[in-house]
Amino acid sequence: DIQLTQSPSFLSASVGDRVTITCRASQAISNYLAWYQQKPGKAPELLIYAAFTLQSGVPSRFSGSGSGTEFTLTISSLQPEDFATYYCQQHNNYPRTFGQGTKVDIK
Amino acid sequence: EVQLLESGGDLVKPGGSLRLSCAASGFTFSTYSMNWVRQAPGKGLEWVAVISLDSRTTYYADSVKGRFTISRDNSKNTLFLQMNSLRAEDTAVYYCARKLNTGNYPVDYWGQGALVTVSS
Repeated sequence: DIQLTQSPSFLSASVGDRVTITCRASQAISNYLAWYQQKPGKAPELLIYAAFTLQSGVPSRFSGSGSGTEFTLTISSLQPEDFATYYCQQHNNYPRTFGQGTKVDIK
Repeated sequence: EVQLLESGGDLVKPGGSLRLSCAASGFTFSTYSMNWVRQAPGKGLEWVAVISLDSRTTYYADSVKGRFTISRDNSKNTLFLQMNSLRAEDTAVYYCARKLNTGNYPVDYWGQGALVTVSS
């Protein structure tokens, strides 16, 4: 199975900050990587898939990059509604696997 | 509007069985593969199973293989998860989720989740 490791696991930031989260895969997955945002008590929401394709309705301050084994999610200017937990997931093969999550908290 | 509504979550004893349902609306259910994903309390996301649009193909996480069965009824726009031989570690919120498209795509829409608690 493909293992995904996110870093950092916890991030403290302020409104307006540029934030970057990294996801590393244990083997190459081409560009088959998605990013989800989850707020407490809610279902996750798809932000980005295929490494850099923005899901419909997602603000353009979110962007993704990478291929092979290393990927990043960037929030260009953190907004109050962006404080949440972010997960990467590989959609290259089954079983689908998720990273352990990165919690973005208010500094 | 795409809607996914899970039901059937409950408290069950170890070794017991439970069947989750997910009622879909707002899209042509029979043209999408469907998934179950779970989240233990305070933990991360774990993919559980997927079923193709025509039920011909299924995949499972190793942690549930042989105990859980995913199925669907396209005539009733409903997805199911039959869970047998339940263990304490199966305690989680179970989400049904639609796969965005055929091929190598992730899930896009999620239900609100159904809580399954396995405890004596």
